[in-house]
Amino acid sequence: DAGITQSPRHKVTETGTPVTLRCHQTENHRYMYWYRQDPGHGLRLIHYSYGVKDTDKGEVSDGYSVSRSKTEDFLLTLESATSSQTSVYFCAIRGGASGQDGELFFGEGSRLTVL
Amino acid sequence: AQSVSQHNHHVILSEAASLELGCNYSYGGTVNLFWYVQYPGQHLQLLLKYFSGDPLVKGIKGFEAEFIKSKFSFNLRKPSVQWSDTAEYFCAVDTSGTYKYIFGTGTRLKVLA
Repeated sequence: DAGITQSPRHKVTETGTPVTLRCHQTENHRYMYWYRQDPGHGLRLIHYSYGVKDTDKGEVSDGYSVSRSKTEDFLLTLESATSSQTSVYFCAIRGGASGQDGELFFGEGSRLTVL
Repeated sequence: AQSVSQHNHHVILSEAASLELGCNYSYGGTVNLFWYVQYPGQHLQLLLKYFSGDPLVKGIKGFEAEFIKSKFSFNLRKPSVQWSDTAEYFCAVDTSGTYKYIFGTGTRLKVLA
């Protein structure tokens, strides 16, 4: 158990509404990631963070923003949800306090449906 | 920007057959390479990783992978698959220093008993 919790685990929302997903870790890891998983696309990196207030874009960052105001929390916000953002979202942390381990540990996932 | 390609999207094998799944990446600098497996309804689980040193790496469950730098490849192999190897396999690359971690689109393996 890597001490990662995601909330909410399931959410249904309407097009145009903002949505925030939260990832919380208990082990003081420096590197945190947000992915979306869709059939046929594998996991696509949305944003990642390499420290408090240090974030960078991934492969599919349009329509998403992130914030990391403290080590343990990494928030993903869909500014105005669209149906194309219906997906399962996974948060991950990189093993080792400084990320030296390399292995990613994943949260349980947040299933988002945008109607 | 780095990218990862897995050309085999679906593979069907009989038990005891040998397995090789292809993974190619594009990036001009130093990379770290990984293979993960995802069993139905479960998280991704690390099979093996390559950072440096011997380009032939051995992982869990009898899997191994070979890094061929000149071909930008990191193919996954297993000499004899089992029914329990039915899963989806993902190759991943991250760049040393930035730790931007990119996955391929995955290969669904079905092993027939």
